[in-house]
Amino acid sequence: DADVTQTPRNRITKTGKRIMLECSQTKGHDRMYWYRQDPGLGLRLIYYSFDVKDINKGEISDGYSVSRQAQAKFSLSLESAIPNQTALYFCATSDLMSSNTGELFFGEGSRLTVL
Amino acid sequence: AQSVTQPDIHITVSEGASLELRCNYSYGATPYLFWYVQSPGQGLQLLLKYFSGDTLVQGIKGFEAEFKRSQSSFNLRKPSVHWSDAAEYFCAVGPNDMRFGAGTRLTVKP
Repeated sequence: DADVTQTPRNRITKTGKRIMLECSQTKGHDRMYWYRQDPGLGLRLIYYSFDVKDINKGEISDGYSVSRQAQAKFSLSLESAIPNQTALYFCATSDLMSSNTGELFFGEGSRLTVL
Repeated sequence: AQSVTQPDIHITVSEGASLELRCNYSYGATPYLFWYVQSPGQGLQLLLKYFSGDTLVQGIKGFEAEFKRSQSSFNLRKPSVHWSDAAEYFCAVGPNDMRFGAGTRLTVKP
């Protein structure tokens, strides 16, 4: 099983619908992140969390919300999806304290299409 | 906020030629720097990282990168490119709110 699991892997939805992307990890890491990837724009940070009580906005948080339900779970919600939120979404984890490098461990991605 | 610039959107090199991918960063303190690679349709794989010590770091697949504080750069190099190196390469700066560059797509000519 993957250490960082994203569900769903693919989703097609319509404008105005509410969508939730879920991320769970078995690595025991404190830090979790959500990114979106668009061609030519790289990965852009949406939200990040350093523990269950700590949620921070990233570069492009408008139109998104998150929930850190437990150390191992971090969900991304689109309350009312719009077509320009069509993208590949990645969840990632890191553990700066124990590894002292802060490298990110990524899930396999969730491809979202908003029609 | 920190930021990363990868000036080259697309680079084409011949197989066996040397490669250098550029990365410039902006960060207020000592940065943690990373290079990731993404093959078509795949996730992201860490190539190498720098957070302290020797400024020349070695990574997987024969890649290396050099941290130059005076130039705010962390360029990725490989002495001899293989066809399997064709992919998209991302530079990132951390360690907190990790930011990525827009990526450089590498094409390898036979």
